[in-house]
Amino acid sequence: DQQVKQNSPSLSVQEGRISILNCDYTNSMFDYFLWYKKYPAEGPTFLISISSIKDKNEDGRFTVFLNKSAKHLSLHIVPSQPGDSAVYFCAASENAGGTSYGKLTFGQGTILTVHP
Amino acid sequence: DVKVTQSSRYLVKRTGEKVFLECVQDMDHENMFWYRQDPGLGLRLIYFSYDVKMKEKGDIPEGYSVSREKKERFSLILESASTNQTSMYLCASSSAGWPSRGYTFGSGTRLTVV
Repeated sequence: DQQVKQNSPSLSVQEGRISILNCDYTNSMFDYFLWYKKYPAEGPTFLISISSIKDKNEDGRFTVFLNKSAKHLSLHIVPSQPGDSAVYFCAASENAGGTSYGKLTFGQGTILTVHP
Repeated sequence: DVKVTQSSRYLVKRTGEKVFLECVQDMDHENMFWYRQDPGLGLRLIYFSYDVKMKEKGDIPEGYSVSREKKERFSLILESASTNQTSMYLCASSSAGWPSRGYTFGSGTRLTVV
């Protein structure tokens, strides 16, 4: 039972354009969401996060949008750069700050390729 | 620079061998995790630990065990390696309470079981 789903295995965009990566979840108890980026032969690195009390969070070129009613979040990268080419994972957790021990549930990942 | 270090980048083991994957963190984090990453399946939680000598099963614990004798070290053990355990294994750590930036990951161990 995949509680966090990234239905697009891959995405290809032109440098300078917008990249939109999508993520859906089924567990209504999830209250904190994160995006990670992973290059080959490296561990994932934290990119941006959002709490369920917000619907948008921005950090430079990266913006995450959360639609709780649709159980959907998306990551926007504007403008996209070739160095953004990587695998992007969304992750979710429930009971933020409580007894979840920070346990995260990850999606399958989306391979982003940004062409020069 | 804070770190999670996994002892091996690449390992090749034979079916039936007992395999140890080691992970050390230098951030004094309470929580440590073992995930495996497989194409199309993402990262799946095998085991985690929230304190020394404490462990909890994740989503796919079958065929694995763990050991946490010291706060900084979390070991994953494949009791009898099988070919379906060929995967990328990722260790991570986080502080107690809510980790707003989530985990710090190691670079991973690519395990091949032949």
